[in-house]
Amino acid sequence: NAGVTQTPKFQVLKTGQSMTLQCAQDMNHNSMYWYRQDPGMGLRLIYYSASEGTTDKGEVPNGYNVSRLNKREFSLRLESAAPSQTSVYFCASTEGKGAQNSPLHFGNGTRLTVT
Amino acid sequence: AQSVTQLDSQVPVFEEAPVELRCNYSSSVSVYLFWYVQYPNQGLQLLLKYLSGSTLVKGINGFEAEFNKSQTSFHLRKPSVHISDTAEYFCAVRARSGYSTLTFGKGTMLLVSP
Repeated sequence: NAGVTQTPKFQVLKTGQSMTLQCAQDMNHNSMYWYRQDPGMGLRLIYYSASEGTTDKGEVPNGYNVSRLNKREFSLRLESAAPSQTSVYFCASTEGKGAQNSPLHFGNGTRLTVT
Repeated sequence: AQSVTQLDSQVPVFEEAPVELRCNYSSSVSVYLFWYVQYPNQGLQLLLKYLSGSTLVKGINGFEAEFNKSQTSFHLRKPSVHISDTAEYFCAVRARSGYSTLTFGKGTMLLVSP
């Protein structure tokens, strides 16, 4: 049981380049999330998908877009990368609506550097 | 909306000493409470959660936390730490009703030295 799988694990981009971070879960979870983690800032929510077919902005959505491709997959796209987007990105999933007490399951992260 | 304050950004402690990591939250509605642990270069994993019932919750690796509703706190404790407990610890809250996302504190780095 792989849980939450993120690709790639590391990425270096130049300013202005674009890329897509991939996330897939095999737990039949309804809700999926993208967070970024920066030193001293904790985890900040970028976008989430409460259920297949829906996406919503989180705390820090500017500069990002997301796609809930199907129930398993939730991708995060940087259209024009900026140095301020240098961070560690985490994807997470949970059971979803009606299961507020269900914990989040996290992937191992993508370390992105924008030069 | 909910907010979480972790009062210490870093807690240094010697091996086999007790430790307490402090967490206070603010919410206008009832919440579920969680502690997550992040080991170096890994994702977060659940340490323990408070849903209802006994205010003392036991988790993995010998950790426990106590929910105090009047003080809106959920402090994490371990009576004797190991070097392997060196990690970052995050407190988080989520509203009990409706649909809401998890709100995290900024984390506390536990540094255990020999």
